[in-house]
Formats: sequence, structure tokens, C-alpha cells
Amino acid sequence: GENVEQHPSTLSVQEGDSAVIKCTYSDSASNYFPWYKQELGKRPQLIIDIRSNVGEKKDQRIAVTLNKTAKHFSLHITETQPEDSAVYFCATPGGGSYIPTFGRGTSLIVHP
Amino acid sequence: SQTIHQWPATLVQPVGSPLSLECTVEGTSNPNLYWYRQAAGRGLQLLFYSVGIGQISSEVPQNLSASRPQDRQFILSSKKLLLSDSGFYLCAWSTGKGEKLFFGSGTQLSVL
Repeated sequence: GENVEQHPSTLSVQEGDSAVIKCTYSDSASNYFPWYKQELGKRPQLIIDIRSNVGEKKDQRIAVTLNKTAKHFSLHITETQPEDSAVYFCATPGGGSYIPTFGRGTSLIVHP
Repeated sequence: SQTIHQWPATLVQPVGSPLSLECTVEGTSNPNLYWYRQAAGRGLQLLFYSVGIGQISSEVPQNLSASRPQDRQFILSSKKLLLSDSGFYLCAWSTGKGEKLFFGSGTQLSVL
């Protein structure tokens, strides 16, 4: 089955800095890569996703990049704000699977 | 539009008592349904998933069970709760491809 590794487990930045979270996956047939944000005590929510036919996707201050050759994808947050503080999860359903495999999560802390 | 309802929001139960958590989805047909558990500060552990009425697959052997009596209803049950069953339980649904997951608001279960 699919294996997803997520790093770092904790990321502490100052407000205004950039943050990057990286995930690697094992199934070369994977073609969909979402990122979820979970605030404390809340449900995870999809914030951005990318398909394998593109290398980068941006939405305001967040972006996701994909390197299919190296089998890794990353979440980039620029100009971080305290409200970006949350746990971020990467995921992928793998090739032909309807069961998403999640990374272990990254706790992002943005200090004012 | 699609919505997912999960209840109750919080639950405190004594060890050995039964459990029933319910999840319903509106605005879509034949969704894939999932139950996840999240220990404090940890990742998402898939417990059960279902691709159709009466079809349940278990990912982790334990004293929990799941049922799908109707297309858009997913129930998580236990006959006798253990201390280790404490956690944040999340129901989710996705389309047939298992790509974007939409989570319920979660149930915080404390077993005392």
C-alpha cells in the first residue's frame, strides 16, 4: 500500500516568515495530493490540492509543489500569520485506491 | 451542496459502557464513508471505511464496530468501552475516487 512520510513534525516560525512542509510518497501511480489544515479542536479541512499533471498550484499565500520523479510534494506558506498556527496533514489516495493515506501531521506555530 | 453531520460533539462515558456515534451526509449519493480516531496531538488513524450499504472494512482490530444501515448513514459502536478508546472521532465522506475528504465536526470521547 501507499506510504506517506511527512516532515517536520513541528515547525516554529516568526510572523511574516515562510514555512515549508514536505511529504514523500511511495506509490508512483499516485495522482492526487491534498493538504488539510486542522485547528485545535476542529475538523481537518482541505486547503489546497494538486494533481499530477501540474507541478505547482498557488492560492494567495499558500502553494503546493509536486515533484513526481522524486515522489515528493510540499506545502509552502508565505508571510505567515498567527492564524496559520495549526496542524497540517498531507495525504494521497495512491493509485486506484479510495482510501487516503495521511502523513503524521506537522504542528505549525507562528509566533507574533 | 453537501453537508455532513456528526453527533454528539462531546461524550463522557464510564469504562465498560456502550457507545454509539452517528454520522449522516446530505446532498450526495453513494459516498465513501470513513471513521477516523485521533489521539491528543497525534495523527489520523483510519478505523473503518465503507463503499456502500452494508459494506464495512476494518483497518484496526479492536472492540469497535461500524455499520452503514442507509446510504448516507454511518454508525460507530462499541459494546464495552475501554480507557484506550478515548480520543477525537471524526467521520468523513468522499467521492468514489477517495480524493477530497470532507470531515464532520468530530466527537470528543472521554472514557473514565
